[in-house]
Amino acid sequence: KQEVTQIPAALSVPEGENLVLNCSFTDSAIYNLQWFRQDPGKGLTSLLLIQSSQREQTSGRLNASLDKSSGRSTLYIAASQPGDSATYLCAVPSGNTPLVFGKGTRLSVIA
Amino acid sequence: DAGVIQSPRHEVTEMGQEVTLRCKPISGHNSLFWYRQTMMRGLELLIYFNNNVPIDDSGMPEDRFSAKMPNASFSTLKIQPSEPRDSAVYFCASSRATGRVMNTEAFFGQGTRLTVV
Repeated sequence: KQEVTQIPAALSVPEGENLVLNCSFTDSAIYNLQWFRQDPGKGLTSLLLIQSSQREQTSGRLNASLDKSSGRSTLYIAASQPGDSATYLCAVPSGNTPLVFGKGTRLSVIA
Repeated sequence: DAGVIQSPRHEVTEMGQEVTLRCKPISGHNSLFWYRQTMMRGLELLIYFNNNVPIDDSGMPEDRFSAKMPNASFSTLKIQPSEPRDSAVYFCASSRATGRVMNTEAFFGQGTRLTVV
């Protein structure tokens, strides 16, 4: 059974810092890995999707990497801003099982 | 496209009442998912459909929960009778899948916040 872990559970950084969020998964037989953002009281917004054949994917200040064999992904946020404050979730599908989510990392960027 | 549309956004009901949550997936998507989010357990898959057919409902907590997808543009999640422990945020999501292989991006609705008193 796939299990997804995200570390740290919460992170507080000053504005302008570069930061890394971590995601690990137990079953490496995945098709892709997806990073989401969730603002308080809101739905999930898809940030990046990395296919299993890719090593990384970039969107603006966000860069996600995938090391499938070791069961790890990182989300790198460059030059963080207060507007980046949210919970970040990673999720993987494997086999016939749709997205299995981690518990998320709650990020606070302090102005 | 308007994205995945869920209704209602908020629902407050009394214990024992029937609750129906609604979802309209993104046009052209052939897979639909219902998730539940709580502080304690995070996001849990309840059920998912592929081409309107339920594929896996092992996440449905009890027989009080049921879901239908009568056509490609509409799905419901029903709880009857509702209990206070059902209080949570319920999300619907959709994606394009190749058969049953979940190899494409999933998009989520804004969720329905259910409170059972």
